[in-house]
Amino acid sequence: AQSVTQLDSQVPVFEEAPVELRCNYSSSVSVYLFWYVQYPNQGLQLLLKYLSGSTLVKGINGFEAEFNKSQTSFHLRKPSVHISDTAEYFCAVSFQGGSEKLVFGKGTKLTVNP
Amino acid sequence: DAGVIQSPRHEVTEMGQEVTLRCKPISGHDYLFWYRQTMMRGLELLIYFNNNVPIDDSGMPEDRFSAKMPNASFSTLKIQPSEPRDSAVYFCASSFRLAGGSTEAFFGQGTRLTVV
Repeated sequence: AQSVTQLDSQVPVFEEAPVELRCNYSSSVSVYLFWYVQYPNQGLQLLLKYLSGSTLVKGINGFEAEFNKSQTSFHLRKPSVHISDTAEYFCAVSFQGGSEKLVFGKGTKLTVNP
Repeated sequence: DAGVIQSPRHEVTEMGQEVTLRCKPISGHDYLFWYRQTMMRGLELLIYFNNNVPIDDSGMPEDRFSAKMPNASFSTLKIQPSEPRDSAVYFCASSFRLAGGSTEAFFGQGTRLTVV
């Protein structure tokens, strides 16, 4: 079965610390990978995406993610977080050759403390 | 473009009443998705359309839910009759097919539905 797992439901960090939000997927076919961010009372906004090519993908707000096919992972990283990064982050996958729908993980709530 | 527009932003209704949520996708996008977000179940895909045609409605919870897309610029999600367990945030998203076959979804601000 095709699925997405975000291992951490909540991640608290201090301001200016590095952060990694983990995402693993399960699929028998090749995938496209996305990270979305949701600020309170807002819709989801695309942070970055991996479609093909370089496995290291850079997105908005200083975030980056690395696609690791052997480990079926797409972890999101930022070297130094700000208070304003406090939000919920969703990993999503769509499957090549399949339907166009995105399958989302359960989300990781990142809280950046001063 | 103004992005995906959903209305209303908030809806409070009594159990048993009909509720209609509305969505205007981004012009030129040929896919439209309806998602529901709850604390317990996260983001669930309810239904999606391609070129105004429903493709997959397997996520629609039950017959009380129905969705339509009469034209490329408008879609509705209707719940009749509504129940308290339908309380959630409902998102509409639209997308287009990228080169290579993937799609990138753009989300509206959501409609927060409360059924009392």
